[in-house]
Amino acid sequence: EPEVTQTPSHQVTQMGQEVILRCVPISNHLYFYWYRQILGQKVEFLVSFYNNEISEKSEIFDDQFSVERPDGSNFTLKIRSTKLEDSAMYFCASRGGTTDTQYFGPGTRLTVL
Amino acid sequence: GEDVEQSLFLSVREGDSSVINCTYTDSSSTYLYWYKQEPGAGLQLLTYIFSNMDMKQDQRLTVLLNKKDKHLSLRIADTQTGDSAIYFCAEEGRGGYQKVTFGTGTKLQVIP
Repeated sequence: EPEVTQTPSHQVTQMGQEVILRCVPISNHLYFYWYRQILGQKVEFLVSFYNNEISEKSEIFDDQFSVERPDGSNFTLKIRSTKLEDSAMYFCASRGGTTDTQYFGPGTRLTVL
Repeated sequence: GEDVEQSLFLSVREGDSSVINCTYTDSSSTYLYWYKQEPGAGLQLLTYIFSNMDMKQDQRLTVLLNKKDKHLSLRIADTQTGDSAIYFCAEEGRGGYQKVTFGTGTKLQVIP
C-alpha cells in the first residue's frame, strides 16, 4: 500500500539554526499538508499546498516557515531560525483529490536545544 | 473556527467495551476520523466515516455519527491492553483546502 514517508525521523538542532524537514507524498497526490504536535498537545494544522502554492496557512505558520515542492516527489518544510518552542513532532500529509482522505506520514520529531 | 472536543481520559477493564466520545462544530464536515497514537509514535488511522453515514463497523471498532448533534463516538469491543493509547477524533471541513482539525485526544487506559 502506498504511504507518505518523512525524513529524518528525529532532528536535533541548536536554537537559531535553519532546519528542513522532508516528506515524500504518495506519488499521484495533488494536495499536501504540514501539521505539528507539541508534546502532550493536539495536532495542529500548519499549511496546505496545492498547484505549487500555499492554499491555506494557520497563525502558527509565520515568516519563519516556508514550504516548497522542489521536484516532482519531495515536499519540504523549512524553519528559517528555530526557536525552542518549535520543538514538536511534524507530520506531513497528502491527498489525491478533494473526495479522498488525507494520508499522514510517520512524523519527524524536531528537538531545538 | 472549527473545534473538536473530547474527554481527556477513559479507563476500562480488559475485555470490556470502550466508548470514546467526540463533539465537533463544523456542520460542513466531510470526513470524520479516529486516530490512535501510542507514546512517542506517529498517528495511526484507525477508521473514518463519511458524513453521510450513520455507522461504520470494522472488526472490533464501531463508529457512530449523529450529524444533528455533531457527535461522533468510537466503540472498541473486547478492549485489550494493546489498545492503551491516545485516541484523536478529527474532522475535515468541506471548505478551503480541507485541513483536518484534531481534538485534544482521549487517553485510554486498559486495566488488566
